[in-house]
Amino acid sequence: NAGVTQTPKFQVLKTGQSMTLQCAQDMNHEYMSWYRQDPGMGLRLIHYSVGAGITDQGEVPNGYNVSRSTTEDFPLRLLSAAPSQTSVYFCASKPIQGLDSPLHFGNGTRLTVT
Amino acid sequence: AQTVTQSQPEMSVQEAETVTLSCTYDTSESDYYLFWYKQPPSRQMILVIRQEAYKQQNATENRFSVNFQKAAKSFSLKISDSQLGDAAMYFCAYRKRFTPDKLIFGTGTRLQVFP
Repeated sequence: NAGVTQTPKFQVLKTGQSMTLQCAQDMNHEYMSWYRQDPGMGLRLIHYSVGAGITDQGEVPNGYNVSRSTTEDFPLRLLSAAPSQTSVYFCASKPIQGLDSPLHFGNGTRLTVT
Repeated sequence: AQTVTQSQPEMSVQEAETVTLSCTYDTSESDYYLFWYKQPPSRQMILVIRQEAYKQQNATENRFSVNFQKAAKSFSLKISDSQLGDAAMYFCAYRKRFTPDKLIFGTGTRLQVFP
């Protein structure tokens, strides 16, 4: 069981470039989500999904797109990177049967936008 | 809107001693969960302990225990017999019950453990 796998671990982008942060889980979890972590702040929810084909916005969705075509994958897209998107990004998942169960987090992707 | 406040940016403790990390939150909900997460330098987010608001009994997990004061909206974490491996950032988090995973995090407390 790999759990929640995020790739890449590190990424440097130039302003205006686009990229996709990958997230995959092998636990058959219906819920998946993306958080960002900035210095001096806690994690903030960007987007989340309650199942394949269903996504919704979190607290800080601007500048990010998501899609959920399979249960396993939940990629996060930056269409035109900005320095304000420099952050550490975490993907997380949990099963739908255990609404009360805790989140499983990936190990994060550190993104720097210059 | 719900908020979570951790007023101690940094704390330190001697190995084998006890330390308490503070957390307060604001919500109008009556049914919710509170969590403490540990983030070591590896960046991994590790769930330390969880408290259901409908339970009056304070949660404990080995050397970790909480003091949950619902009326005061306070949720502190006590680490007993501190170990060097406890050194990390600790985040307090809140979630309404029956919401998928909209965790609201505090800003974190960096815990240093001295030998």
